[in-house]
Amino acid sequence: DVKVTQSSRYLVKRTGEKVFLECVQDMDHENMFWYRQDPGLGLRLIYFSYDVKMKEKGDIPEGYSVSREKKERFSLILESASTNQTSMYLCASSGRDANSYEQYFGPGTRLTVT
Amino acid sequence: GQNIDQPTEMTATEGAIVQINCTYQTSGFNGLFWYQQHAGEAPTFLSYNVLDGLEEKGRFSSFLSRSKGYSYLLLKELQMKDSASYLCAVIARPAGNKLTFGGGTRVLVKP
Repeated sequence: DVKVTQSSRYLVKRTGEKVFLECVQDMDHENMFWYRQDPGLGLRLIYFSYDVKMKEKGDIPEGYSVSREKKERFSLILESASTNQTSMYLCASSGRDANSYEQYFGPGTRLTVT
Repeated sequence: GQNIDQPTEMTATEGAIVQINCTYQTSGFNGLFWYQQHAGEAPTFLSYNVLDGLEEKGRFSSFLSRSKGYSYLLLKELQMKDSASYLCAVIARPAGNKLTFGGGTRVLVKP
């Protein structure tokens, strides 16, 4: 079974703090994704990575950066947290082939910025 | 860009059937996913359609019409545990493996 884990289920941070969200997958997947999910807005892609050290902007990258130093690990960084970044953050991974487009999701991190 | 529409909320009775529609507009269509998400949990994969037609998996079926930009998820013999959000997502070239999600449909099953 594919397992995607995220470092925290719940996190509370102050405005202006630097925040790191970690995601690890154990299926040797090439692709990894970071989403945020907000009521009424659905899942929105922040950044994704299709290989080690490679990254691409998603639909809402502003205020975020990412790091992928190892294949199994994809980190989301909030350089200076703001209250509008309070959200549920979901990490996902998938293979590269056409028969492995399915994305497997981690349990999510609910981040509150006060 | 891509545009994906699905109803916000639906209510149905235990044992009944519910059909959740999803319409999309995209270029380079390369497949459509349905995911189930219970409150406070991660989305889990239900189905993937890339060719026209109906795919059946137990109580759940998914249909795709590429020419109409339309899909539906059919839930039969509804159970209380089917109360969840159902997310429609499209994958398109040349976006690689990126999925674009609709807003999700919250289904409430009543006794």
